[in-house]
Amino acid sequence: DAGVIQSPRHEVTEMGQEVTLRCKPISGHNSLFWYRQTMMRGLELLIYFNNNVPIDDSGMPEDRFSAKMPNASFSTLKIQPSEPRDSAVYFCASCRDRGRMKLFFGSGTQLSVL
Amino acid sequence: EDQVTQSPEALRLQEGESSSLNCSYTVSGLRGLFWYRQDPGKGPEFLFTLYSAGEEKEKERLKATLTKKESFLHITAPKPEDSATYLCAVQAETGANNLFFGTGTRLTVIP
Repeated sequence: DAGVIQSPRHEVTEMGQEVTLRCKPISGHNSLFWYRQTMMRGLELLIYFNNNVPIDDSGMPEDRFSAKMPNASFSTLKIQPSEPRDSAVYFCASCRDRGRMKLFFGSGTQLSVL
Repeated sequence: EDQVTQSPEALRLQEGESSSLNCSYTVSGLRGLFWYRQDPGKGPEFLFTLYSAGEEKEKERLKATLTKKESFLHITAPKPEDSATYLCAVQAETGANNLFFGTGTRLTVIP
């Protein structure tokens, strides 16, 4: 089992540029989560999908953020335009049973917006 | 509002020196309390889930306990490889599709 796979591991971009983060969940897991981690606020949920359908996007900070899950094995989180305050580590996680919420996390994408 | 507070923020222990990490929570109906371990540059790794007051779970040198207001992660005779950040998270009855995380305790075990 390869676990949750995220790419890229690191992304450095300039303010105003579009950023796309990618995630492949564990096969057979039907729930997918995008989290953002900062020193000040810790881990915060951005958006959650169940069976490829967005269920709760109340954590998405602004309209600059969007997420898609076109199929069960792929999801993207896009920031357009990016701003320095978006700098953080972005994690994707998946689970088989959303009732139990035993999440498996990827290794994250370290985003730096200059 | 759901709230999770972990203490201390950082803890340094000598190898073999046992201690406990605290997670205090306020939630409108607890469905589950979770402990995760996070190593630098990696995502959190699941350790335990506790569902009701009085419940305990153990894994190697770690034991997690739960009361109606807090959880403890007891570390017995820690080793340097136990150094990591330990995160506590709660799943509420309302908003059950989310884990609300604390900011963690950064543990360093010195050989």
